[in-house]
Amino acid sequence: DIQMTQSPSSVSASVGDRVTITCRASQGIRNWLAWYQQKPGKAPNLLIFAASNLQSGVPSRFSGSGSGTDFTLTISSLQPEDSATYYCQGTNSFPLTFAGGTKVEIK
Amino acid sequence: QVQLVESGGGVVQPGRSLRLSCAASGFTFSSYGMHWVRQAPGKGLEWVAVISYDGNNKYYEDSMKGRFTISRDNSKNTLYLQMNSLRAEDTAVYYCAKDLGILSLGKDYWGQGTLVTVSS
Repeated sequence: DIQMTQSPSSVSASVGDRVTITCRASQGIRNWLAWYQQKPGKAPNLLIFAASNLQSGVPSRFSGSGSGTDFTLTISSLQPEDSATYYCQGTNSFPLTFAGGTKVEIK
Repeated sequence: QVQLVESGGGVVQPGRSLRLSCAASGFTFSSYGMHWVRQAPGKGLEWVAVISYDGNNKYYEDSMKGRFTISRDNSKNTLYLQMNSLRAEDTAVYYCAKDLGILSLGKDYWGQGTLVTVSS
């Protein structure tokens, strides 16, 4: 099974800061990766699919990159509403494992 | 608009069974893969299972294989999760989610979740 790891597990940043979250797969998954945002008490929300494709309706300050084993989610200018936990997940090799998540807090 | 409404959660004793349902509307249900994802209290997301648009392909998380069965009825626009031999560690909010594609590309719509509590 492919394992997914994220870093950091938490980050605290100021409004307007650039925030980068990394996700690593234990084996190559080409560009088969999705990113999700989850706020407390709510269902997750798809941000990025196929590693770099912005889901419809998601603000353009979110972007994804990477291929193979190493991936990045970037928030170019952090906003108060971005306070949430972010998860990556491989999408082509079963079982589909979520990484442990990154909690983003606003300073 | 896309709606996914889960039902069937509740309190169940260890070793018993439960069937979850997810009623879908607002899209062509028979054209998309569907997932179950769970989240234990205070924990991260855990993928459970996926079923292809036509029901012919099913995949499971290893720890649930043999105990859980995912199925769908495209004539009723409904997704199911049959859970047998439930354990305390199966306690979680269970979400159904629609895929972007026919099997697995990304989950673009989610239900509100249904809580399953396994306890004696």
